[in-house]
Amino acid sequence: NAGVTQTPKFQVLKTGQSMTLQCAQDMNHNSMYWYRQDPGMGLRLIYYSASEGTTDKGEVPNGYNVSRLNKREFSLRLESAAPSQTSVYFCASSERGLGTEAFFGQGTRLTVV
Amino acid sequence: AQKITQTQPGMFVQEKEAVTLDCTYDTSDPSYGLFWYKQPSSGEMIFLIYQGSYDQQNATEGRYSLNFQKARKSANLVISASQLGDSAMYFCAMRGIYNQGGKLIFGQGTELSVKP
Repeated sequence: NAGVTQTPKFQVLKTGQSMTLQCAQDMNHNSMYWYRQDPGMGLRLIYYSASEGTTDKGEVPNGYNVSRLNKREFSLRLESAAPSQTSVYFCASSERGLGTEAFFGQGTRLTVV
Repeated sequence: AQKITQTQPGMFVQEKEAVTLDCTYDTSDPSYGLFWYKQPSSGEMIFLIYQGSYDQQNATEGRYSLNFQKARKSANLVISASQLGDSAMYFCAMRGIYNQGGKLIFGQGTELSVKP
């Protein structure tokens, strides 16, 4: 059981380039999330999707767009990368419900130069 | 708005001793859930323990327990009999009842180092 799969694992971009981070889950979860992790800042929610066809902004959505392609897939797009977007990005998924744990992908380490 | 605060950037504990990692939260939701995750140096996120705001008893999972004080809005993680493998980042997180489909909010994290 693969769980949550993110691609790529590492990426270096030049300022102004665009890219899409891919995420897929095989647990039939309704909710999916994108976080970024920076030292001293913890995990900050970028966007989330409570169900197929819906997306909502999290704490730090500026500079990002998302697509919930279907129930399995939730992608994160950087249209014009900036050095401030250098971070580790995590995708996660969970069932709906107050106490349902989130399952995380392995993370994508993105460097924007 | 919901907020999670972890005020200890780093902590040290001697092997086999107990350690408490602090977490305070703020929410206006009448019901909510609190989570703790562990992130070892390898980077994966590992779920440890969950506490519901209306649970009658504090949650326990093996060597992990959650010291939940609702009036003080705190949900501290207690690790008993620390092991070298407990060295990691620890994150507290919260979800409110009005956001059951999302908005799992994390704190800044505490880096725990276990000394032999």
